[in-house]
Amino acid sequence: GAVVSQHPSWVICKSGTSVKIECRSLDFQATTMFWYRQFPKQSLMLMATSNEGSKATYEQGVEKDKFLINHASLTLSTLTVTSAHPEDSSFYICSARDLRKPGNSYNEQFFGPGTRLTVL
Amino acid sequence: AQSVAQPEDQVKVAEGNPLTVKCTYSVSGNPYLFWYVQYPNRGLQFLLKYITGDNLVKGSYGFEAEFNKSQTSFHLKKPSALVSDSALYFCAVRDPGNTPLVFGKGTRLSVIA
Repeated sequence: GAVVSQHPSWVICKSGTSVKIECRSLDFQATTMFWYRQFPKQSLMLMATSNEGSKATYEQGVEKDKFLINHASLTLSTLTVTSAHPEDSSFYICSARDLRKPGNSYNEQFFGPGTRLTVL
Repeated sequence: AQSVAQPEDQVKVAEGNPLTVKCTYSVSGNPYLFWYVQYPNRGLQFLLKYITGDNLVKGSYGFEAEFNKSQTSFHLKKPSALVSDSALYFCAVRDPGNTPLVFGKGTRLSVIA
């Protein structure tokens, strides 16, 4: 299957600082990317959906000014957690899909390995 | 709206015994169904999917799942559990449109030697 990478795999930052997480599709073009967060021992909750070149669509309850998503190219999406606080500590997972991939009639969604954010 | 229910927070089985992890779903139209496994501090690993065709789907590591439309279920099964199968298992669903996967809350499987 296709490969999605995330960088960094983990990050520790001080409260009030901003952190950027990168998500890259390595061998395909991601027309759509999704960002999920996962609290300890809980499920993945969808934060937002972004289509290349368009503004992200945020799920209800997710602050768009706090979680800035940029999907400027077909292989890169970034999530910036602005003015991070301890409650933002979580495991962030990105996922990508190529709507145009030949033979991928059901538009499989590929997942990155996740980024663990710890805010002190 | 799509939704997934995993009614068991935890499942414990003895090594060598069969295991079942339950999943029921709700989606308008035909569902695309998936199972993923997550080991501690790791991302998701794909196990298997149902898109169309045979109701019994075989996946990675000896796992299989049966799509039951009348019961709206997609239970994960394995004939003989291994200690190394101990992990967190997620069922996920989406409809055929360009919608994201929606995950169940997860079931922690513990296989006891």
